[in-house]
Amino acid sequence: ETGVTQSPTHLIKTRGQQVTLRCSSQSGHNTVSWYQQALGQGPQFIFQYYREEENGRGNFPPRFSGLQFPNYSSELNVNALELDDSALYLCASFRGGGHTDTQYFGPGTRLTVL
Amino acid sequence: DQQVKQNSPSLSVQEGRISILNCDYTNSMFDYFLWYKKYPAEGPTFLISISSIKDKNEDGRFTVFLNKSAKHLSLHIVPSQPGDSAVYFCAARVPAGTYKYIFGTGTRLKVLA
Repeated sequence: ETGVTQSPTHLIKTRGQQVTLRCSSQSGHNTVSWYQQALGQGPQFIFQYYREEENGRGNFPPRFSGLQFPNYSSELNVNALELDDSALYLCASFRGGGHTDTQYFGPGTRLTVL
Repeated sequence: DQQVKQNSPSLSVQEGRISILNCDYTNSMFDYFLWYKKYPAEGPTFLISISSIKDKNEDGRFTVFLNKSAKHLSLHIVPSQPGDSAVYFCAARVPAGTYKYIFGTGTRLKVLA
């Protein structure tokens, strides 16, 4: 067990709605990355937060946004949900800023958009 | 454009034998590689990593080999155990300040008892 937790475990939304997913990073970690894993695919990088600032973004539209809080926990917000947003959303934490390179993943949130 | 490829979607191996999982990449700038194991309903679990300046790293039953000239990475599991049955992902790091990792599509390993 990594110490990275995510909530909720499962979520069902309808097209056009908005969703917020949460992640608590492992103790001592100041960086959180979010990934989307569609069925049969590997995780795809959405964005990363380091010390409360966005620090890199993958090829995802602006309706995917995030926050990192002073305790380094993080939120992923998705607006105007589309059917293709149905996926497993993973967060990973690590101690960034030139320290350990290994990201530790949470169990994920399974989002279904109907 | 898939920069990290795992061309074998699945692999079956007898218990006690060697499992070899392969990964190819296209970006010669990747500087760090990792293997993760994933069980259903769980997040990926870190297994082993290797820096681009090395060609081999070993940790117990797991060994990762890196062939930079061929842009090829492999994970060897010896001996394979039924508990190793899972989906294995390789990931490569983009060295651009952000710790961004590109993942392959995964290989499902089944170890037969």
